[in-house]
Amino acid sequence: NAGVTQTPKFRVLKTGQSMTLLCAQDMNHEYMYWYRQDPGMGLRLIHYSVGEGTTAKGEVPDGYNVSRLKKQNFLLGLESAAPSQTSVYFCASSYSSSGNEQFFGPGTRLTVL
Amino acid sequence: GEDVEQSLFLSVREGDSSVINCTYTDSSSTYLYWYKQEPGAGLQLLTYIFSNMDMKQDQRLTVLLNKKDKHLSLRIADTQTGDSAIYFCAESGDMRFGAGTRLTVKP
Repeated sequence: NAGVTQTPKFRVLKTGQSMTLLCAQDMNHEYMYWYRQDPGMGLRLIHYSVGEGTTAKGEVPDGYNVSRLKKQNFLLGLESAAPSQTSVYFCASSYSSSGNEQFFGPGTRLTVL
Repeated sequence: GEDVEQSLFLSVREGDSSVINCTYTDSSSTYLYWYKQEPGAGLQLLTYIFSNMDMKQDQRLTVLLNKKDKHLSLRIADTQTGDSAIYFCAESGDMRFGAGTRLTVKP
């Protein structure tokens, strides 16, 4: 099993450009999450999904959109990138919510110039 | 909103015990977690404790929970250089993470 994979691993964007980050998991997990990690601030939840076809806002959803068309994939979109979105993005998945371990991907380092 | 707080840095000598502390505010959290992040990698679950427990021991790891004070700690006995990493506490209620404590183990 590959676990949780993320593509791309690195990306540099110019302000105003758009991009999509892809997260895939092969563990048949229901729940998937997108976090951003910034120095001194830990992980902050952007959006999450409790199942195929569903999405919900997390702590810092502004400027991002997500889609969960297939159970195994969770996409994070930036429609018009801003320098404030420079961060490391982590995807995670879990079988359900409380009490279940989240499995994390290796991260995507995004720089917006 | 609710915050999870940790000190940012801890430095210990190899063989000593490390204690990483965390305070949280969401009393509805059923579980509290400790995750470990090694350089360039995602987070991995290290251990967790159910909210009705006071203590959990797992080999070199001891988790203490003071629910009244909303204080969580992780003790690593006989700390090794391979334990150098960033340690995050997290609460299950709204999946908030602390900022992470960078543990440096000196030989």
